[in-house]
Amino acid sequence: QIQLVQSGPELKKPGESVKISCKASGYTFTDYAMHWVKQAPGKGLKWMGWINTYTGKPTYADDFKGRFVFSLEASASTANLQISNLKNEDTATYFCARENWSVMDAWGQGASVTVSS
Amino acid sequence: DTVLTQSPALAVSLGQRVTISCRASKSVSTYMHWYQQKSGQQPKLLIYSASNLESGVPSRFSGSGSGTDFTLTIDPVEADDIANYYCQQSNELPFTFGSGTKLEIK
Repeated sequence: QIQLVQSGPELKKPGESVKISCKASGYTFTDYAMHWVKQAPGKGLKWMGWINTYTGKPTYADDFKGRFVFSLEASASTANLQISNLKNEDTATYFCARENWSVMDAWGQGASVTVSS
Repeated sequence: DTVLTQSPALAVSLGQRVTISCRASKSVSTYMHWYQQKSGQQPKLLIYSASNLESGVPSRFSGSGSGTDFTLTIDPVEADDIANYYCQQSNELPFTFGSGTKLEIK
């Protein structure tokens, strides 16, 4: 069955960096794009962007240009999200989601990032 | 960007019918999808392309609409349906989500 398994919770200080992974299984990784979605505590879902898993080309929403990087380890069927120069407002749960014909049909369980001094 | 507007919360009695609405600031054709998110869990796809039931989702869930006005209907509501419901458009980038509707049981 299709599964997206994300890395564990992270506690970081402001200014540090974090890398979140999303390992896919149960399908051909490069056949489907991967999206990233942010959910701050008690808030709704915010689309961050997506990465073409065949070409590796990322596309970022405006609010996520600069400190956010989407990358791949295609041989390991893994998508990564790296956030640099962490700020308090980056405290959130980050979800990866597979896109199937413009629909996010499978989601990871979420990776919690807490930024606190 | 396409803004999606949802009512913040709805209260319904078990066994009744509930409709959750989503209005888009511009036409999204039928590129509208609905997700259910229970507390502490990841979102789950319920309805795609406005009216198509995702595989494995109970037939109590249905969706309708096109253009700017969309609804998600649950009939009958069960206790397991307590969750937040989000609409999301994929007609244009950036993809956007509604702010979510919290379904509560009376």
